[in-house]
Amino acid sequence: SAVISQKPSRDICQRGTSLTIQCQVDSQVTMMFWYRQQPGQSLTLIATANQGSEATYESGFVIDKFPISRPNLTFSTLTVSNMSPEDSSIYLCSARGWAGTEAFFGQGTRLTVV
Amino acid sequence: GDSVTQMEGPVTLSEEAFLTINCTYTATGYPSLFWYVQYPGEGLQLLLKATKADDKGSNKGFEATYRKETTSFHLEKGSVQVSDSAVYFCALSDYYDMRFGAGTRLTVKP
Repeated sequence: SAVISQKPSRDICQRGTSLTIQCQVDSQVTMMFWYRQQPGQSLTLIATANQGSEATYESGFVIDKFPISRPNLTFSTLTVSNMSPEDSSIYLCSARGWAGTEAFFGQGTRLTVV
Repeated sequence: GDSVTQMEGPVTLSEEAFLTINCTYTATGYPSLFWYVQYPGEGLQLLLKATKADDKGSNKGFEATYRKETTSFHLEKGSVQVSDSAVYFCALSDYYDMRFGAGTRLTVKP
């Protein structure tokens, strides 16, 4: 199993600003992902964080809005750029050891944009 | 593509009642199946898993059996507790992607 620490746990931000969310895994993992979860909704995959290269984004998400870094096997950041109230959501970091195995999740970052 | 269809709820039960949350899937291959639980203000926690047909996953009194013939992975618990109140997600993984159901909110009343 893997323990994932995500911070901040919550934040209230002004529109037009940016927020960077950090995700630290306690062991080396193959895959890291970022999800968005609207209140009362399921998870929507934003992107796969690739070590040492550009992230792979899902349809509807772009690098300019959600830049992602993954400098090593245990750490990743997601930045939510030029925020608007529509970006208010929970952002979740996830990691998997190998394809096909279970995913582990951080506790999430609850973002409110005012 | 692969997908998961989950009974959306919400579901409200009295303590010690029997719980079933239905989950069916569509997949071209042989996915692994999972149930996750999300308590208020927290991330998702793995509840149980099954990696092949007829496998039964179990944890904390919850069970689910991988039924290939009915493409189902229903979650059951014989006697729920107030502390089981949470949102439950069914998920599948066919090698790379992990797909989640819509989630089912369970409320257990004393």
